[in-house]
Amino acid sequence: NAGVTQTPKFRVLKTGQSMTLLCAQDMNHEYMYWYRQDPGMGLRLIHYSVGEGTTAKGEVPDGYNVSRLKKQNFLLGLESAAPSQTSVYFCASGGTGGYNEQFFGPGTRLTVL
Amino acid sequence: GENVEQHPSTLSVQEGDSAVIKCTYSDSASNYFPWYKQELGKRPQLIIDIRSNVGEKKDQRIAVTLNKTAKHFSLHITETQPEDSAVYFCAAPRPMNRDDKIIFGKGTRLHILP
Repeated sequence: NAGVTQTPKFRVLKTGQSMTLLCAQDMNHEYMYWYRQDPGMGLRLIHYSVGEGTTAKGEVPDGYNVSRLKKQNFLLGLESAAPSQTSVYFCASGGTGGYNEQFFGPGTRLTVL
Repeated sequence: GENVEQHPSTLSVQEGDSAVIKCTYSDSASNYFPWYKQELGKRPQLIIDIRSNVGEKKDQRIAVTLNKTAKHFSLHITETQPEDSAVYFCAAPRPMNRDDKIIFGKGTRLHILP
């Protein structure tokens, strides 16, 4: 089992460019999450999904969109990147709701110039 | 709003001593309290969790205690070792919000001094 994987691992964008981050899990989890991690800010939830075809906003959703067309994949999109979106992005998956262990991917380090 | 407050933000202890990290939460209906460890450059990983039907849980050198009346829970690491150096995050759900999220604390950077 690969667990939770993320692509790409690193990316540098110019302001205004767009990109998509891909998260994949092979544990048949219903719930998937996208977090961003900034120094001193902990893990902040961007968007999450409670099942295939569903998405919901987290704490910091502005500037991001997501899609969950397949149960095993959760995509995070940046339509017009801004320097404030420079961060490390973690995807996670887990069982029912927030009441079980979340398994994190290795992270994507994104720099927006 | 409902928050999870974590203290201290940085902690340095001598190798072999104990370390304690504390978190407070605001949603009295919260019933699941995990702790995650993140080593430098790595992903967060669950190290221990506790549900509200017990007051303490131990796993070798780590333990978590829960005080539901005071709405706080703590991570205890005994006989600290160099490999315990990492950032530790607590988290708690918010059942009263009727969503499926957990809120993470801002983390505690633990340094184990030789």
